[in-house]
Amino acid sequence: QVQLQESGPGLVKPSETLSLTCSVSGDSISTYYWSWIRQPPGKGLEWIGNMYFSGNTNYNSSLKSRVTISGDTSKNQFSLNLNSVTAADTAVYYCARLMMYGSGWGDEAFDIWGQGTMVTVSS
Amino acid sequence: DIQMTQSPSSLSASVGDRVTITCRATQSIRTYLNWYQQKPGKAPKLLIYAASSLQSGVPSRFSGSGSGTDFTLTISSLQPEDFAIYYCQQSHSSPVAFGQGTKVEIK
Repeated sequence: QVQLQESGPGLVKPSETLSLTCSVSGDSISTYYWSWIRQPPGKGLEWIGNMYFSGNTNYNSSLKSRVTISGDTSKNQFSLNLNSVTAADTAVYYCARLMMYGSGWGDEAFDIWGQGTMVTVSS
Repeated sequence: DIQMTQSPSSLSASVGDRVTITCRATQSIRTYLNWYQQKPGKAPKLLIYAASSLQSGVPSRFSGSGSGTDFTLTISSLQPEDFAIYYCQQSHSSPVAFGQGTKVEIK
């Protein structure tokens, strides 16, 4: 049974860097694709970016200049760094596995999610 | 960027009702459309992928259809555990995008 668990500070000061880790159990991060998605309080879902087992990444263009997603295969974890945060970055942050149901670009869906972690940006 | 619009934003229904939610893309996404269910305080759960394929373990009362720009999620007989927010999501092109959500409430 694959499980994902987010961890990291629940409070970050404006202009600082938000850093979260997703620990994966029951699967290897080297064999799938992995994602970060966020949800501001009371609002909808926003995709942040993906990390592919090749090490390649793909980020939402709206956040691209501030985002880095990376993996640590020795710990079976992947991480999110979002720098220069503002109050607009306050959200529940989810990590998720990206299921590839076919061989084509776009044949993908977020099939397993972590429980989410709330991050508040405030001084 | 492709935008996704769901309708209605909310609906009230009774147990046993047939419920239909619509999702529209700003350009053709073929069948690169997924549906998720989110309950309060919980992570979203994948229901349907590739517009009409039922995710393993999801009850058969859920179904999806459509292609191009117009898609529907149908719950054939609403159950108490189905009251939640439903999101569509396109995977056709980056950035992937979600609809704004449809809240299904108890009448």
